[in-house]
Amino acid sequence: QSVLTQPPSVSGAPGQRVTISCTGSSSNIGAGYDVHWYQQLPGTAPKLLIYGNSNRPSGVPDRFSGSKSGTSASLAITGLQAEDEADYYCQSYDSSLSGFWVFGGGTKLTVL
Amino acid sequence: QVQLVQSGAEVKKPGSSVKVSCKASGGTFSSYAISWVRQAPGQGLEWMGGIIPIFGTANYAQKFQGRVTITADESTSTAYMELSSLRSEDTAVYYCANGEAVAENWGQGTLVTVSS
Repeated sequence: QSVLTQPPSVSGAPGQRVTISCTGSSSNIGAGYDVHWYQQLPGTAPKLLIYGNSNRPSGVPDRFSGSKSGTSASLAITGLQAEDEADYYCQSYDSSLSGFWVFGGGTKLTVL
Repeated sequence: QVQLVQSGAEVKKPGSSVKVSCKASGGTFSSYAISWVRQAPGQGLEWMGGIIPIFGTANYAQKFQGRVTITADESTSTAYMELSSLRSEDTAVYYCANGEAVAENWGQGTLVTVSS
């Protein structure tokens, strides 16, 4: 059971907008720690998609955006494309004994 | 841009140990943190621990305390993760990643299979 909670799956048609939620607690997201998002394409290593809640590394399209409020965060993908089909993970820091880095269980995005 | 290259796949017997390496290039190895994250088949990501080479002291997830050892060799810009007392549930892809609060770059992953 992951410390951060994500929906197991989301789906959308090409061109649509989808959001993926990430819910934590007072020892991680709610304590003010940043949330980061990773994209994992099938059979590959994860790739940093959003850092510091809402910042995109160089090369990541502006179709991807992140936000954070209270004990939750969200990843939004607009103008959905077939190549966006992947697993998405949120990650934060946790001040309890559960570990320094904590991850969500991952969300499988299916492009219909 | 930091690049991380990991050692190859391993097959191990239950009860044995495995040591995975992660060689870094680009940036200043001693000053950035290296973490290890594993992913069991069909499962999510799980942080195991990390180290900042210049400090030398590693931090571990409570789940792996006593079973995992993370070290770094500044002379070769290589980090290592050793997991002992292997069991079938340790079958997973093991990744190294650099960054203190966020995994900025990832290695390609090393599949460790534990089977009798």
